Amino acid sequence: SQQGEEDPQALSIQEGENATMNCSYKTSINNLQWYRQNSGRGLVHLILIRSNEREKHSGRLRVTLDTSKKSSSLLITASRAADTASYFCATDADNAGNMLTFGGGTRLMVKP
Amino acid sequence: AAGVIQSPRHLIKEKRETATLKCYPIPRHDTVYWYQQGPGQDPQFLISFYEKMQSDKGSIPDRFSAQQFSDYHSELNMSSLELGDSALYFCASGMGRTQPQHFGDGTRLSIL
Repeated sequence: SQQGEEDPQALSIQEGENATMNCSYKTSINNLQWYRQNSGRGLVHLILIRSNEREKHSGRLRVTLDTSKKSSSLLITASRAADTASYFCATDADNAGNMLTFGGGTRLMVKP
Repeated sequence: AAGVIQSPRHLIKEKRETATLKCYPIPRHDTVYWYQQGPGQDPQFLISFYEKMQSDKGSIPDRFSAQQFSDYHSELNMSSLELGDSALYFCASGMGRTQPQHFGDGTRLSIL
């Protein structure tokens, strides 16, 4: 079963609106990362939040982490059409090597 | 800035053939990771190398093998290809066992 699962699976919003994506995981982690993937392209690292952090900001991105609930959220504020992509969370599990375990991804569409 | 380079970008093979995918990590990165992403799926970890030694192993079939060379580039060798091997294969690199991992644009492998 997947370490991380995301919801919603798909999200469609208007430009200028905020987009929130959620991710849940199952084991203890060292950190959680969010990646973005344009269709058929590589994964672009967005932000990393460590297990001892609760919130992190980077530009229009805000990530929260709740280790007690084993969940994270990614908020994109003031969305743009160029934000249209799939967004994945990935966890670096504690005592499980350095591999990343990805969630199912949220397909975000931002309409101009 | 230099990124992870993967070659080829696209590869078409027939069943039972072999394929070799190459990955050139970001300069000074000594860790390489391989992931497989099937159509509409999230990336799955295959295998990783640190300082030319295998470090972690995921869901890599026995038909696949990989290695990291003295210049830190890595190759994923795939034999007895099956239709189900059709996927995007990503390589990521990093420094030591730290995060984040930086991904290449992937090789799209199609098995006919």
